[in-house]
Parts: sequence; C-alpha cells; structure tokens
Amino acid sequence: TQLLEQSPQFLSIQEGENLTVYCNSSSVFSSLQWYRQEPGEGPVLLVTVVTGGEVKKLKRLTFQFGDARKDSSLHITAAQPGDTGLYLCAGDNYGQNFVFGPGTRLSVLP
Amino acid sequence: ETGVTQTPRHLVMGMTNKKSLKCEQHLGHNAMYWYKQSAKKPLELMFVYSLEERVENNSVPSRFSPECPNSSHLFLHLHTLQPEDSALYLCASSQDRKGAAVETQYFGPGTRLLVL
Repeated sequence: TQLLEQSPQFLSIQEGENLTVYCNSSSVFSSLQWYRQEPGEGPVLLVTVVTGGEVKKLKRLTFQFGDARKDSSLHITAAQPGDTGLYLCAGDNYGQNFVFGPGTRLSVLP
Repeated sequence: ETGVTQTPRHLVMGMTNKKSLKCEQHLGHNAMYWYKQSAKKPLELMFVYSLEERVENNSVPSRFSPECPNSSHLFLHLHTLQPEDSALYLCASSQDRKGAAVETQYFGPGTRLLVL
C-alpha cells in the first residue's frame, strides 16, 4: 500500500510570514496533486504536478515535485489569513490507485 | 447552481436507523466517488462509479450501500452503523474515471455524520 506522509501536522503563523509544508512517500507516483480544504467545505484542487523536478507557481504558492517523484513541497510566501485551511497532497500511481495524505492544518493569524 | 451538492449537510443517527446521503453533480461528469474523512486520518476512498457502473469498492463494510441511478446522482445508504462510522462523507466527481492521467476531482461540501 502506498502511503503519503505530510509535515508538519499543524502550523500556526503570523500574517506575512513564509512557510513550507511537505509531502513524502517511499513510493513513486506518476503525478501528485495539492488540495486546500476550508472548514465546512470539500477539498479544492490547487495544482497537479507530473514531471520530476517540476515547479509550478500559483500567485504566492510555489509547488515542487521531487526529482524522484516520491515527494513534494508547497511554499507560501507572505501568508495571509485567507490561506488558512487543511492542505492535502494526493498521489496517483498510473491510475492504479489514488491516495491522500493526512494533511497539514495551517492557521494564519492576522 | 454549484458544481457538486450534498444533502443533508449534517446528520445524527442511532445505530439502528436507516438513512441515505445524496450527492448531485451539475458538471456533466461521468465518474463519481464517495470518500470518508475522519479526524487525523487521510481521506479514504470508499466507492467509485463510472458511467453509473461501480468500478471500485475498497473493502467497505456492507452497512454502507452505494447507488448510482444516473451519472448525475449518487447515494450512500446507511444502516446499522457504528459510532466509529462518525465522519465527514465527501462526494466528488470527475470528467472520466482516472486512467493514465490524473483527473481533476470536484468535491462537494460533505455530510457531517454522527452515529450515537
């Protein structure tokens, strides 16, 4: 069974700070996705990364897929209270299975 | 109309009750999914339907019974649940069932279920 680990589990920071959260596995994934889930809502897809070493930017969010396609990171610059939520990574194994990590719960304080 | 809707949003039921969760997608998608989200645990995929046919059933207890009458509607029928079944149940849809490329899944807001 492929497992995804995420760290840290919880993160509380002040508005304006930078942060990085991580998604790690011992398995290789064909692609990896990042979702954000706000309280009372379902997860919303932020990005899909497919190529090892790939970097994608979405405004203040930078996503990187590891060269070996076993890990990924999400970096947020100048965090804002609107970034508060549960950040989930999910990996796809060539369509054979699709697993989610447990998430990082981020709180950005004004 | 929002993409994926779920009703009810909250549900409290006893272990002897029978209830149903409803999901409706307005996106014209062909695949629909049920997930279970428990505290401190990853989302667990329960069932996958593609073109109204169940294509995946991940060892889910028989007290959970899915139904997909058409490509826009998905139900989860619940009976004789246990307190450990209390969780957020999320429905999702995607254009097609995932193949070699990852499909974008669109999630509903979930039904928060409490089993007493």
